Amino acid sequence: DIQLTQSPSFLSASIGDRVTITCRASQGINNFLAWYQQKPGKAPKLLINAASTLQSGVPSRFSGSGSGTEFTLTISSLQPEDFATYYCQQLNSYPLTFGGGTKVEIK
Amino acid sequence: EVQLLESGGGLVQPGGSLRLSCAASGFSFSSSAMSWVRQAPGKGLEWVSSISGSGTSTYYADPVKGRFTISRDSSKNTLYVQLNSLRAGDTAVYYCTKGGTYSDSWGQGTLVTVSS
Repeated sequence: DIQLTQSPSFLSASIGDRVTITCRASQGINNFLAWYQQKPGKAPKLLINAASTLQSGVPSRFSGSGSGTEFTLTISSLQPEDFATYYCQQLNSYPLTFGGGTKVEIK
Repeated sequence: EVQLLESGGGLVQPGGSLRLSCAASGFSFSSSAMSWVRQAPGKGLEWVSSISGSGTSTYYADPVKGRFTISRDSSKNTLYVQLNSLRAGDTAVYYCTKGGTYSDSWGQGTLVTVSS
């Protein structure tokens, strides 16, 4: 099975900060990676597919990059509504797997 | 607008069974692969199972293989998962999602609690 390691697991940031979350795969997965945002008590929301393709309606301050085993999710200027937990998911092969999550909190 | 509405969750004793349903609308259900993803209380996301649009291909996470069965009824636009031999570790919110790999739409989830 492909393991995904997200870092950091927790980060504290201020409004307007640039935030970067890393997701590392235990083996190469090309660009078969998705990113989700989950707010407390809510279902996750797909942000990015194919490592860097922004879903319709997702603000352009979100971006994804990477290929192979290392990927990043970047929020260029953190907004109040961005405080949430973020997960990566590999889509390369079954069983599909998620990273452990990164909780972004207000500093 | 895509809508996914799960039902069937509840409290069940260890070793018991439940069937979860997901009523889908707003998209072509019969041509869409579907999945179940779960989240234990206070924990991260865990993929459970996926099924192809035709229903002929199914995939399972190792912890549920042999105990859970995913299925679909395109005449009813409904996705199912039969949960058998339930364990305390299966306690979670179960989400129905659209997509066989990435999940571009999610239901609100249904809580399954396994406890005596």
